[in-house]
Amino acid sequence: QKEVEQDPGPLSVPEGAIVSLNCTYSNSAFQYFMWYRQYSRKGPELLMYTYSSGNKEDGRFTAQVDKSSKYISLFIRDSQPSDSATYLCAMRNNYGQNFVFGPGTRLSVLP
Amino acid sequence: GAVVSQHPSWVICKSGTSVKIECRSLDFQATTMFWYRQFPKQSLMLMATSNEGSKATYEQGVEKDKFLINHASLTLSTLTVTSAHPEDSSFYICSASLGQNYGYTFGSGTRLTVV
Repeated sequence: QKEVEQDPGPLSVPEGAIVSLNCTYSNSAFQYFMWYRQYSRKGPELLMYTYSSGNKEDGRFTAQVDKSSKYISLFIRDSQPSDSATYLCAMRNNYGQNFVFGPGTRLSVLP
Repeated sequence: GAVVSQHPSWVICKSGTSVKIECRSLDFQATTMFWYRQFPKQSLMLMATSNEGSKATYEQGVEKDKFLINHASLTLSTLTVTSAHPEDSSFYICSASLGQNYGYTFGSGTRLTVV
């Protein structure tokens, strides 16, 4: 079993839809969770950063962490064609410096 | 916010030559930088962790003599691909963090093509 699993997609949705992106993980020691957006041939861009369980909202983006289920989600409301990208989840424990990345989900928002 | 500047954004080189990629933290000091490699439609693969003033820590399977990492100052880390071969063609990305309670900021990436 991989340490972090993520559906690679592609996921296609119509403009305006609510998008749900998810990652599951196996290491219960993970405490820090991040979501990145990566456009083709560009470096990843940090979208959300959360610590431990709970929800965090920023504009159209909401991140949820459920540590009991080892499951994290990123919701995008009112999706736009400009949201079309690959979304990567990443996580680490309290001690390590390096984050473990999921494989990424390719999202296409169709106008 | 934290900005990491990576250069060049793309480079084409001949087999057998060496290529240097630079990453600079523009508005903060980066004690640690990470170097990743990414193949098309795949996720980021950590190559090495670069610590200022000391030797880099390489991940299993990454050739230390081929991928030379230097972190001589708190704002600059370099990755040199030595004696490049076509199979080294890939997207290379660096990242750094302001600290434990912050996320990691990535450079814009370098697309290396070895012909």
